[in-house]
Amino acid sequence: AQSVTQPDIHITVSEGASLELRCNYSYGATPYLFWYVQSPGQGLQLLLKYFSGDTLVQGIKGFEAEFKRSQSSFNLRKPSVHWSDAAEYFCAVGAPTNAGKSTFGDGTTLTVKP
Amino acid sequence: NAGVTQTPKFQVLKTGQSMTLQCAQDMNHNSMYWYRQDPGMGLRLIYYSASEGTTDKGEVPNGYNVSRLNKREFSLRLESAAPSQTSVYFCASSWTSSDTGELFFGEGSRLTVL
Repeated sequence: AQSVTQPDIHITVSEGASLELRCNYSYGATPYLFWYVQSPGQGLQLLLKYFSGDTLVQGIKGFEAEFKRSQSSFNLRKPSVHWSDAAEYFCAVGAPTNAGKSTFGDGTTLTVKP
Repeated sequence: NAGVTQTPKFQVLKTGQSMTLQCAQDMNHNSMYWYRQDPGMGLRLIYYSASEGTTDKGEVPNGYNVSRLNKREFSLRLESAAPSQTSVYFCASSWTSSDTGELFFGEGSRLTVL
């Protein structure tokens, strides 16, 4: 069965500092991997996704993520965080045969200090 | 651009009452999903509909029923609400359930069962 672990429940960074959110997955073959962001009171919005090819993927809002098969990781990064990035972030894994049935991690809440 | 629309946004029920959450998408997507989100537990799939006329159970289907009314609409029904069903419910859609799997979410419906 597929699973996702986000080790950090809550992260606080200062505005302008760099950010890395961790995601580890379990899946037998090459997975479909996603990062979603949820602002307070809103639904989830896709930041980026990985299916194949280049292991460094670029997303919206200046985010990127790197797929590392050897570490079963798909960490999300941003070089300089803005106050508007404060939100909850979810990593998700989907199977190629049924990618719509994604399994989500428990989420990481990001707080940005001024 | 409405995207995925859920109603109602908030609802309070008493134990044993029934209700239906409505979801509609205007993106001509084939697949639709219902998730619940609980603190510290990420999103869990309740039911999904890969295409019009089909529905399947997800990870946590007990206590729920669904209807794919047409291609646009996918409703979730609680026949006899229980306090354990207090949650935030998200409807989502995707082009199909077996492709890239990017999900488009509604803004959520917050349900409290007393």
